Amino acid sequence: EIVLTQSPATLSLSPGERATFSCRASQSISNYLAWYQQKPGQAPRLLIHDASNRATGIPARFSGSGAGTDFSLTISSLEPEDFAVYYCQQRSNWPQTFGQGTKLEIK
Amino acid sequence: QVQLAESGGGLVKPGGSLRLSCTASGFTFSDYYMSWIRQAPGKGLEWVSYIGPNSHYINYADSVKGRFTISRDNAKNSLYLQMNSLRAEDTAVYYCARDFDSDLLTGYFDHWGQGTLVTVSS
Repeated sequence: EIVLTQSPATLSLSPGERATFSCRASQSISNYLAWYQQKPGQAPRLLIHDASNRATGIPARFSGSGAGTDFSLTISSLEPEDFAVYYCQQRSNWPQTFGQGTKLEIK
Repeated sequence: QVQLAESGGGLVKPGGSLRLSCTASGFTFSDYYMSWIRQAPGKGLEWVSYIGPNSHYINYADSVKGRFTISRDNAKNSLYLQMNSLRAEDTAVYYCARDFDSDLLTGYFDHWGQGTLVTVSS
């Protein structure tokens, strides 16, 4: 089973700042990585698939990059609604697995 | 618009059974792979099971294999999860989720229900 390790566990930033999330896979997963956003009491929302492709309706301030074992999600300028938990997920090998999440909190 | 609505969660004793349902609308349900994904309280996400459009392809996480059964009724736009021999560690919010692309198993999930809470406790 592929393990995804996300860092940091918590990110404290202010609106308008740039946020960068990291996700490292225990073995190469090519570009088969997605990012999700989850707000309290809500289901996750797909942001990015295949490492760098924004899902339908996702604002351009969200971008993804990486391949192999190292990936990142960047929010270029934080909006108040962006404060949430972010998960990465791989679909290269079954079972597909999720990272443990990074909480983005308001500083 | 795409909507997924789970139901059937509740409190059940260890060793008991529960059947979850997910009703879909706003898309051609019979074209998509569907999955169940769970989230233990305060924890991360765990994929549980998927089923293909015609029920020919089914897979389970090792943690539930032999205890859970996924099924679907395309005529009713419904997805099900029969959960037997429940354990405390099965306690979680269970989400149904649609695969990203029709007729393909991409392994990404572009639409999720609001979830239903299953609590296994004596």
